Amino acid sequence: KAGVTQTPRYLIKTRGQQVTLSCSPISGHRSVSWYQQTPGQGLQFLFEYFSETQRNKGNFPGRFSGRQFSNSRSEMNVSTLELGDSALYLCASSPGTGWSGTEAFFGQGTRLTVV
Amino acid sequence: QQQVKQSPQSLIVQKGGIPIINCAYENTAFDYFPWYQQFPGKGPALLIAIRPDVSEKKEGRFTISFNKSAKQFSLHIMDSQPGDSATYFCAASKGNYQLIWGAGTKLIIKP
Repeated sequence: KAGVTQTPRYLIKTRGQQVTLSCSPISGHRSVSWYQQTPGQGLQFLFEYFSETQRNKGNFPGRFSGRQFSNSRSEMNVSTLELGDSALYLCASSPGTGWSGTEAFFGQGTRLTVV
Repeated sequence: QQQVKQSPQSLIVQKGGIPIINCAYENTAFDYFPWYQQFPGKGPALLIAIRPDVSEKKEGRFTISFNKSAKQFSLHIMDSQPGDSATYFCAASKGNYQLIWGAGTKLIIKP
């Protein structure tokens, strides 16, 4: 089974720009979650999509948005980038249902640097 | 009530020792408790998970101990090796709700 694929791996953007990150989950998984990870801050949950609907949401400003397509692939968008948005953005694929429905399989992440 | 508190923040153990990382939770509705391992530059990877009706689960050198009454669970690494040096995260969830993550423990195993 192919793992979770995130593209691009690295990205450098300027303050004020917007960015779109992509995630292809494991085949058969219906849930995709996004996390922001900065040094010393652990894993900060952004949102989760299940069957094209946002099912759970973290405490991030509206500049952070996402969507999921019918094939379960997901995109995350950040508008009006700020220096503080520099981070590793991780996508996690999960079955979405059942006892271990939240069992997360992570991609390698996208390293975003805002300059 | 949604928090998962993880300790210690960092841990240094000699090779062959048994590092122990602890997590505590408040929400008694949680029924899925996984541990993840993350190496620098990589996404976290699932190590082992337990459900609350089991007090202990072993997979290779990794063991989860679960204390339902105390609302605590811990990860033990037997015969630790330098290759186990990584950041470890505990988490908890219930049903379709998202995983609630601990803050992480940076583990260093000294040769």
